[in-house]
Amino acid sequence: KNEVEQSPQNLTAQEGEFITINCSYSVGISALHWLQQHPGGGIVSLFMLSSGKKKHGRLIATINIQEKHSSLHITASHPRDSAVYICAVRSGGGADGLTFGKGTHLIIQP
Amino acid sequence: DGGITQSPKYLFRKEGQNVTLSCEQNLNHDAMYWYRQDPGQGLRLIYYSQIVNDFQKGDIAEGYSVSREKKESFPLTVTSAQKNPTAFYLCASTPRAVSSYNEQFFGPGTRLTVL
Repeated sequence: KNEVEQSPQNLTAQEGEFITINCSYSVGISALHWLQQHPGGGIVSLFMLSSGKKKHGRLIATINIQEKHSSLHITASHPRDSAVYICAVRSGGGADGLTFGKGTHLIIQP
Repeated sequence: DGGITQSPKYLFRKEGQNVTLSCEQNLNHDAMYWYRQDPGQGLRLIYYSQIVNDFQKGDIAEGYSVSREKKESFPLTVTSAQKNPTAFYLCASTPRAVSSYNEQFFGPGTRLTVL
């Protein structure tokens, strides 16, 4: 069973700072997801990647398959980025569910 | 608008009662999932279904039951056998059943409190 570890667990930063959240996993994967959960509980998918790097607006996600590691970066952070960021992986093929990290609670102060 | 709906958002039940959580999607997705979220823990898979009339247990299926009579619906019943049912329950779906590269779409969740 894949073990997914995220760091840090909690992060407080000032508006405008560059943010990095890390995710490592123990077993080879077919895909890695970065998700965002807002205080109300709803979850949205930010990225799904299996190699390389993806960028969407101020968000960048990278993955290193050999090192079993992924990072989520936020440039020019803003208070509206405050949320829980969750890393999740799918270990094999098919439609079995994801294995999730515990999440990183990010607070951006104005 | 296409999406996943879960109802109700908040649910209170007395200990010993069964309760059914609703999950409906109009995305025409093949696969559907139920996850449970507890404070300080990652989401954990309860059950999933790849096609109508078929479903598989996840990591924490004990005390739960599901059905998949229609493609768009995947209700979850929390039975009295579930020792710690108070949690946040999330339903999700993916477009294709047999694919490892599938974006997961999540519903808004139901917060169940057992008194």
